[in-house]
Amino acid sequence: DTAVSQTPKYLVTQMGNDKSIKCEQNLGHDTMYWYKQDSKKFLKIMFSYNNKELIINETVPNRFSPKSPDKAHLNLHINSLELGDSAVYFCASSQVAPTSATGELFFGEGSRLTVL
Amino acid sequence: GQSLEQPSEVTAVEGAIVQINCTYQTSGFYGLSWYQQHDGGAPTFLSYNALDGLEETGRFSSFLSRSDSYGYLLLQELQMKDSASYFCAVAQTGANNLFFGTGTRLTVIP
Repeated sequence: DTAVSQTPKYLVTQMGNDKSIKCEQNLGHDTMYWYKQDSKKFLKIMFSYNNKELIINETVPNRFSPKSPDKAHLNLHINSLELGDSAVYFCASSQVAPTSATGELFFGEGSRLTVL
Repeated sequence: GQSLEQPSEVTAVEGAIVQINCTYQTSGFYGLSWYQQHDGGAPTFLSYNALDGLEETGRFSSFLSRSDSYGYLLLQELQMKDSASYFCAVAQTGANNLFFGTGTRLTVIP
């Protein structure tokens, strides 16, 4: 069983479109995250949810909207896609909050978004 | 804000030992994590140091010096499969995320 799973794995779309990425974890963790990894491999936190409540909302455009229907799911919806949104988006979860207690995140396999 | 510095690339020979350094600047430092990421794959957790000293897990060890704001990952008996990117990441007191460095690409050659 996959611990943190994301769909789709690949996404190719045109500028201006709206798309969603889904994430599910079966680890029983309370905290979930979205990270963005750009072409230079820099991993940047976007959002963090603890038990369905938003904790962190870093400086990302409001075209990005996370939704957590329950603590096992954290989806990412992106409106009006731009070329600069092309990246790999990673969902992650952690057993404890704050993360600083163990420093351990469990990542999904990533969703590679290409905006044409 | 936070900043982490790692070498961008390291090359080492199979069977050798390699050390990947990480220096950091952050407020409310709590601990330093290390992650491995193969091309096209997900980052996977390797180790975490909250206290000064060396933590050993098999062929991998991680070291932290809080007074020097410095840590390193030591990989011994290098194997070809160790070719990957390695990231250090800081955990801040009470923060609910990790701040990642830019990563070090390790290439192991025969």
